[in-house]
Amino acid sequence: AQKITQTQPGMFVQEKEAVTLDCTYDTSDQSYGLFWYKQPSSGEMIFLIYQGSYDEQNATEGRYSLNFQKARKSANLVISASQLGDSAMYFCAMRARGAGSYQLTFGKGTKLSVIP
Amino acid sequence: NAGVTQTPKFQVLKTGQSMTLQCAQDMNHEYMSWYRQDPGMGLRLIHYSVGAGITDQGEVPNGYNVSRSTTEDFPLRLLSAAPSQTSVYFCASSGRDRVYEQYFGPGTRLTVT
Repeated sequence: AQKITQTQPGMFVQEKEAVTLDCTYDTSDQSYGLFWYKQPSSGEMIFLIYQGSYDEQNATEGRYSLNFQKARKSANLVISASQLGDSAMYFCAMRARGAGSYQLTFGKGTKLSVIP
Repeated sequence: NAGVTQTPKFQVLKTGQSMTLQCAQDMNHEYMSWYRQDPGMGLRLIHYSVGAGITDQGEVPNGYNVSRSTTEDFPLRLLSAAPSQTSVYFCASSGRDRVYEQYFGPGTRLTVT
């Protein structure tokens, strides 16, 4: 079974500062993918970034980067230069890549508030 | 290219009523799934499908039925609504060869009184 743990229910960050949202995972699969989604107050799920378990480099997408530490089973999201529009819920999720593994397992989320 | 669409956006049901939440995608994705989101619980998988005619249960399937007669559509049926089914429902799709892409619909907010 897969499990995602997000230990920070809420985080505050000053505008223009960087922030790290924690995510640890547990799986017995060797091949898997890790995702981060943003959910603003409007409710939609917005894909931010993906990291494959065999990817050698940490994933980056604009201001988002994923600090992937495979041995520690952590996949922390780093947001640089925070903006007011970054205030939202953030979910870490995992998907195994083996045959028959199609669904995402989600953490409970972290609510990020950006302070002007 | 509309992506993943869901209807309705909001729905209020009385206990015992039935209804169908609609989900459609125009990306020719093989995989489609339904999740529910409850406060403090993240998203949990209800049912999923790996292709037309093939469906299976997820983590919380009780009280829900699905079918997949076409690649594009994946409706979720509530047989006899209960207050415990008050939630936000998300449909998602992805392609077999692009596992890093998981597209979500805008969600349906369902209240059962």
